[in-house]
Amino acid sequence: NAGVTQTPKFQVLKTGQSMTLQCAQDMNHEYMSWYRQDPGMGLRLIHYSVGAGITDQGEVPNGYNVSRSTTEDFPLRLLSAAPSQTSVYFCASSLSGGALTQYFGPGTRLLVL
Amino acid sequence: SQQGEEDPQALSIQEGENATMNCSYKTSINNLQWYRQNSGRGLVHLILIRSNEREKHSGRLRVTLDTSKKSSSLLITASRAADTASYFCATDYGGANSKLTFGKGITLSVRP
Repeated sequence: NAGVTQTPKFQVLKTGQSMTLQCAQDMNHEYMSWYRQDPGMGLRLIHYSVGAGITDQGEVPNGYNVSRSTTEDFPLRLLSAAPSQTSVYFCASSLSGGALTQYFGPGTRLLVL
Repeated sequence: SQQGEEDPQALSIQEGENATMNCSYKTSINNLQWYRQNSGRGLVHLILIRSNEREKHSGRLRVTLDTSKKSSSLLITASRAADTASYFCATDYGGANSKLTFGKGITLSVRP
């Protein structure tokens, strides 16, 4: 099993550009989530999904969209990037719930100029 | 914020020594988890302790939970240089669609 994979590893954007961060898991996990990690802030939940076709907002959802058309994939879209979105983004999955053991991807480092 | 708070923020010890890290939280929890993050990597789950448990072990790791004090501790015995990482506690406060809330982390440096 590859576990949770994320692409790209690193991305530089200009303010106003859009992009999609990809996340995939091959463990047949129902629950998937996106976090951002900023220095001194820990991990903050952006969006999560409890199954295909179902998504919900986390603690810091503004500026981000998600969709979950398949169990395996959970892309995160930045519609109009802002410097405040410079961060490291982690995708995570768990068998069936946000309170269970989370399996994290390697992260995507995003720099918005 | 219901974020758990780890203490200390940073810890530096000699190889072979024990490392103790603490986490405090504000309201009742269903479970508490500890994760490790090596530099530039994703988080890795270490151990989960439920609210009705007081202590759990996993290899050189020992986690305790004191629900009356709303605190948990992670003990790493006989530390190694490879234990150098950031450690996070994450709490599940329950409720509908319950999710984990992560603390800000503790940076552990183990000197060879």
